[in-house]
Amino acid sequence: DSGVTQTPKHLITATGQRVTLRCSPRSGDLSVYWYQQSLDQGLQFLIQYYNGEERAKGNILERFSAQQFPDLHSELNLSSLELGDSALYFCASSPQSDSSYNEQFFGPGTRLTVL
Amino acid sequence: GNSVTQMEGPVTLSEEAFLTINCTYTATGYPSLFWYVQYPGEGLQLLLKATKADDKGSNKGFEATYRKETTSFHLEKGSVQVSDSAVYFCALSSNYQLIWGAGTKLIIKP
Repeated sequence: DSGVTQTPKHLITATGQRVTLRCSPRSGDLSVYWYQQSLDQGLQFLIQYYNGEERAKGNILERFSAQQFPDLHSELNLSSLELGDSALYFCASSPQSDSSYNEQFFGPGTRLTVL
Repeated sequence: GNSVTQMEGPVTLSEEAFLTINCTYTATGYPSLFWYVQYPGEGLQLLLKATKADDKGSNKGFEATYRKETTSFHLEKGSVQVSDSAVYFCALSSNYQLIWGAGTKLIIKP
């Protein structure tokens, strides 16, 4: 158990809908990272927040957005869902903002299925 | 830009065989290098890391040496077990984030 929690574990929805994925980092970790893992694209970094502020942006679509709240939990919002958004979404956390030295601790993931 | 290239899988070995999973990278500067492992149905977890050239990371019998001259960070284990079956990801640090390889699926047969 990494100490990172993600809810829900599974999510099934229809095209065009909007969903929210939630992540609680390990106690004391200030950075939260979101990743998308799909069979064709592999593991893709989406976005990083550090202590409430956006720190780095990866391959995140404009239909997707995220935020980190004062209690440090984070939410990833996916809207106008398409079939291709079906994937496993991981959240990870680390103590500081720089990944150079700090291990990222991954949650168990949320499996999103868009029908 | 920075990138990581891993050998394609799946890699299938018999128990107690020697394992090598190749990883090469392209990067400016001196990034830290990582191997993460993803067991079936789980999130990724750090296996080992190296923060500078010639460093050797090791954990659970796995080793990898940061080779600046060949820009490589190959993962090795002398004798694999069925429980090592997983997907292995090589990654490098760049601008507050990790750049990931595509992952290599390892299958160990008893």
